[in-house]
Amino acid sequence: GAGVSQTPSNKVTEKGKYVELRCDPISGHTALYWYRQSLGQGPEFLIYFQGTGAADDSGLPNDRFFAVRPEGSVSTLKIQRTERGDSAVYLCASSANSGSGETQYFGPGTRLLVL
Amino acid sequence: EDQVTQSPEALRLQEGESSSLNCSYTVSGLRGLFWYRQDPGKGPEFLFTLYSAGEEKEKERLKATLTKKESFLHITAPKPEDSATYLCAVQLYNNNDMRFGAGTRLTVKP
Repeated sequence: GAGVSQTPSNKVTEKGKYVELRCDPISGHTALYWYRQSLGQGPEFLIYFQGTGAADDSGLPNDRFFAVRPEGSVSTLKIQRTERGDSAVYLCASSANSGSGETQYFGPGTRLLVL
Repeated sequence: EDQVTQSPEALRLQEGESSSLNCSYTVSGLRGLFWYRQDPGKGPEFLFTLYSAGEEKEKERLKATLTKKESFLHITAPKPEDSATYLCAVQLYNNNDMRFGAGTRLTVKP
């Protein structure tokens, strides 16, 4: 079956602009995660959804970052007033259930470059 | 403070030269330890989950082991296609996010 998909694969924007990154999880997966990965580092947790609600958004760096999952499937990560420091790969993952210990399956990521 | 440290940062092997990658962790309440493989420009690909000390899992040339303080990813007779960054991550009880190490970048030369 299809894995996690993310669009766009690459996004170049200018400082101060607004961007939206989309994630399509594996069909039937109830839990969805967003991570951010800087060059040479491991992924860093941003936010986790169980169904439509954000169960844990403790990793969001500031209030410029926001994510939604209105129908419990597709999710959108929104970044307002982008800064050069937001440049990174944004990864989405999904798991079948929300229990701790569940395997998370990752998408290919969106490479964001803020000029 | 919870920490995940991977070593070495980079490893170069000749084809067929077996070795091990290390993931050490200092966390309270480990629920699971995960190994992923990441190729350049791609997302992490799941390899193994280990839940308790003494557990081992194998897949082709890879074997993962777990103790109370660290995990090893053993690579037996590696091939050039095993070249990738290997990431380990820990998940804690009552917490669904994963905390990743910085990864080990493995290069296997023919």
